[in-house]
Amino acid sequence: KQEVTQIPAALSVPEGENLVLNCSFTDSAIYNLQWFRQDPGKGLTSLLLIQSSQREQTSGRLNASLDKSSGRSTLYIAASQPGDSATYLCAVRTDYKLSFGAGTTVTVRA
Amino acid sequence: DAGVIQSPRHEVTEMGQEVTLRCKPISGHNSLFWYRQTMMRGLELLIYFNNNVPIDDSGMPEDRFSAKMPNASFSTLKIQPSEPRDSAVYFCASSYDRDLGTDTQYFGPGTRLTVL
Repeated sequence: KQEVTQIPAALSVPEGENLVLNCSFTDSAIYNLQWFRQDPGKGLTSLLLIQSSQREQTSGRLNASLDKSSGRSTLYIAASQPGDSATYLCAVRTDYKLSFGAGTTVTVRA
Repeated sequence: DAGVIQSPRHEVTEMGQEVTLRCKPISGHNSLFWYRQTMMRGLELLIYFNNNVPIDDSGMPEDRFSAKMPNASFSTLKIQPSEPRDSAVYFCASSYDRDLGTDTQYFGPGTRLTVL
């Protein structure tokens, strides 16, 4: 069974600081890894998707890396803003299933 | 596109009552997923439909839970009878699933269920 772990569980930083969120998974036989954002009371929004053959993906201030052999991914958010405050979830795809981590709750202080 | 639509957004009911949650997936998507999110267990997959057929219901916690997808544009998740431990946020998601490597799931806003 795929186990996904996210560290840290919570993070509070001043505006402008770079964010580093970590995700690890136990089974490297994945199709892709995705990072989602969840705002309070809302659904999940996909931020980045890294296919199993890729090493990283970038979108604006967001960059995600994938090391499939070691079962790790890192999400970097550059120059954080208060609007980045949310919970970020990592999910790995095995067949049709997405296995989610518990998330990292980020607070960016103005 | 309106995205995945779920109703109701909030439901408060008493123990023992029947609860029905509804989902309209994105038009053209052929896969639909029901998830449950709690603080203790995070996001859990309850059931997966492909082309309106239930493929994997191993995540459905008990016989009190049932799900249907009578057509490509509508699905229901029913809990009968409901119990306080069913209190959670229930999400519906849909995807196209042409390419397992690149297709992502699109989530609805969720239904927050409270069973008293």
